[in-house]
Amino acid sequence: AQSVTQLGSHVSVSEGALVLLRCNYSSSVPPYLFWYVQYPNQGLQLLLKYTSAATLVKGINGFEAEFKKSETSFHLTKPSAHMSDAAEYFCAVRKAAGNKLTFGGGTRVLVKP
Amino acid sequence: DVKVTQSSRYLVKRTGEKVFLECVQDMDHENMFWYRQDPGLGLRLIYFSYDVKMKEKGDIPEGYSVSREKKERFSLILESASTNQTSMYLCASSLWGDNQPQHFGDGTRLSIL
Repeated sequence: AQSVTQLGSHVSVSEGALVLLRCNYSSSVPPYLFWYVQYPNQGLQLLLKYTSAATLVKGINGFEAEFKKSETSFHLTKPSAHMSDAAEYFCAVRKAAGNKLTFGGGTRVLVKP
Repeated sequence: DVKVTQSSRYLVKRTGEKVFLECVQDMDHENMFWYRQDPGLGLRLIYFSYDVKMKEKGDIPEGYSVSREKKERFSLILESASTNQTSMYLCASSLWGDNQPQHFGDGTRLSIL
């Protein structure tokens, strides 16, 4: 069974600092990978998705993620944090032959002024 | 823009009641999903549907059922609500296809007293 691990349930960064959120997956087949963001009292919004076209994927709001097959990782980064980035972030994987997503436990980001 | 609408943002029910959560999407998506979200556990799939009147169990279907009589509407039913079903419930929809992202509603926060 596939699984997704997000390292760190809470991350605190200073405004202007690098944001790095870690995601590792286990899958026996090439996966489709997604990052979602959830702002308070809202549903999940797609940040970006990996679909094998390129290993570095750019998303909305200045975020990007790099797929590393050898490390089975899909870490999310943003060079400079903004106060509006305070939210919870979820990594998800879809097995190539299925429609279901498996989500990581989420990482809550706090941005300090 | 895809719109996924959940009928209630907050709901309070009593133990043993039959509870209906409604979800409507306006983009003619084939797939619809029900998740529950609990702190530290991420999102867990309860049920999904890939067509009208079709449904498949997710990872945690016990105590729940679903109904999809029309393409745009997917209902989650708690047959006899229990306190351990207090949670945030999220509905999502997507087009058919492995790289299609899921679009989420804003969630229903359900409390069972």
